[in-house]
Amino acid sequence: DAKTTQPTSMDCAEGRAANLPCNHSTISGNEYVYWYRQIHSQGPQYIIHGLKNNETNEMASLIITEDRKSSTLILPHATLRDTAVYYCIVRALGGSQGNLIFGKGTKLSVKP
Amino acid sequence: EAQVTQNPRYLITVTGKKLTVTCSQNMNHEYMSWYRQDPGLGLRQIYYSMNVEVTDKGDVPEGYKVSRKEKRNFPLILESPSPNQTSLYFCASSSRGQGAPKTQYFGPGTRLLVL
Repeated sequence: DAKTTQPTSMDCAEGRAANLPCNHSTISGNEYVYWYRQIHSQGPQYIIHGLKNNETNEMASLIITEDRKSSTLILPHATLRDTAVYYCIVRALGGSQGNLIFGKGTKLSVKP
Repeated sequence: EAQVTQNPRYLITVTGKKLTVTCSQNMNHEYMSWYRQDPGLGLRQIYYSMNVEVTDKGDVPEGYKVSRKEKRNFPLILESPSPNQTSLYFCASSSRGQGAPKTQYFGPGTRLLVL
């Protein structure tokens, strides 16, 4: 699975959009971009995933650049409960289907 | 409600005293796995199971055993716990099939302290 690079930490004001970047410059054609988050020692929680098109669900939006070398997770109206560590993970079809390789992630702090 | 449950949530034990951490899921998932999380090292996979009676080692299997006798349960066994197994443990499950890698659902975690 391709390696990802994320900023160590970010701050966001409550009610504003939080934009979390992820670099995955070595991503290959069959690899998906997944985002999980972990709120203070709770179990990681799935947020969203995509292959090449932008995706949106009730939690967030995922914007993947045309060359697929980077992506941005957008939380449109961040709340204090969105304070967490956010992990960007690249996963391929087949291969190590189950082992999620968690990096260090981005610690997002949403401030009042 | 779809969920992964773990028991116990907190455990303090002594070196060498066998223990089992249970994991159960109600989503009929084929795939289950165990991770441990340590400061500065992130989450690392211990063991996983692709289906009943099918288990395999993850990245850090030493000192652990697992079994998968039923689809819903995947207990983690520490035959002789040592202090370096003090950690936060997570169980996870997902379905299997064609297409994109499946979303994994995580349990709430078990915090283990081995004295």
